[in-house]
Amino acid sequence: QVQLVQSGAEVKKPGASVKVSCKASGYTFTGYYMHWVRQAPGQGLEWMGWINPNSGGTNYAQKFQGRVTMTRDTSISTAYMELSRLRSDDTAVYYCARDCGFILTGYPLNWFDPWGQGTLVTVSS
Amino acid sequence: EIVMTQSPATLSVSPGERATLSCRASQSVSSNLAWYQQKPGQAPRLLIYGASTRATGIPARFSGSGSGTEFTLTISSLQSEDFAVYYCQQYNNWPLFGQGTKLEIK
Repeated sequence: QVQLVQSGAEVKKPGASVKVSCKASGYTFTGYYMHWVRQAPGQGLEWMGWINPNSGGTNYAQKFQGRVTMTRDTSISTAYMELSRLRSDDTAVYYCARDCGFILTGYPLNWFDPWGQGTLVTVSS
Repeated sequence: EIVMTQSPATLSVSPGERATLSCRASQSVSSNLAWYQQKPGQAPRLLIYGASTRATGIPARFSGSGSGTEFTLTISSLQSEDFAVYYCQQYNNWPLFGQGTKLEIK
C-alpha cells in the first residue's frame, strides 16, 4: 500500500535549521509531486510548498521563500524539507503529503493523499 | 487573497443524526475544493475532492456539494468514528485550508 514514513521528532534552538525526511513506498516515487504542510499546536493546516521528485523542481509558498528548501533522493525514494533560521512560531507538526495527480500531466492537482504520520519540530531556547 | 471560512467552529451532534458542515471561499474557487478529516494525534485523511467526489474507501455517508464560493460536507448518519476535526481546502490556485470545524458528540 502507498505509505509515507517521516523521521522522528526534533528539538532545535532559535536560529538553527531542521531537516525532515519522508520515505515513500508502495508506488513510483518519481511519479507524483510531494507537498509539505505544517500544523502549529492546536491550529489549522498551512501549505509550505511542493517538490517534483522527477525533476527536482520546487514551488514554495511565498511565506517560506528564502527559508525552506525541498530536495529528494530518488535512489531511496525519500523527500526532504529543510527549514532554516527557525523561530519559536515554527514549532509545529510537519507533514509530507503526496499529490493526487500523476506527474506526467505537468502540474500538481494540489490535493493530497496519503499523508505522512507527521514530525513534531519544537523550537525552544 | 482568498480566505476560506468554515462554520461553525464547533458542531455538537448526536450519533445517528446528520451533520452539515459549511465552507465559504471569499472568491470563486470553482469546484476545486477538498475535505479532510483529522482525528487527534493523526494526520489528515482525504474525504472529498472536486467538491463532491468521494476518495477511495470513504463511506457513502460522507457527501460533498457546492461550487463557486459555498460548499457543504454532509455526514448522513454519524458514527462514533466520525467525531473529529474537518478541514476544507481550496486548490484553485495555491493550496489553502479553512480553519476547521470540530465535530463533537452531543
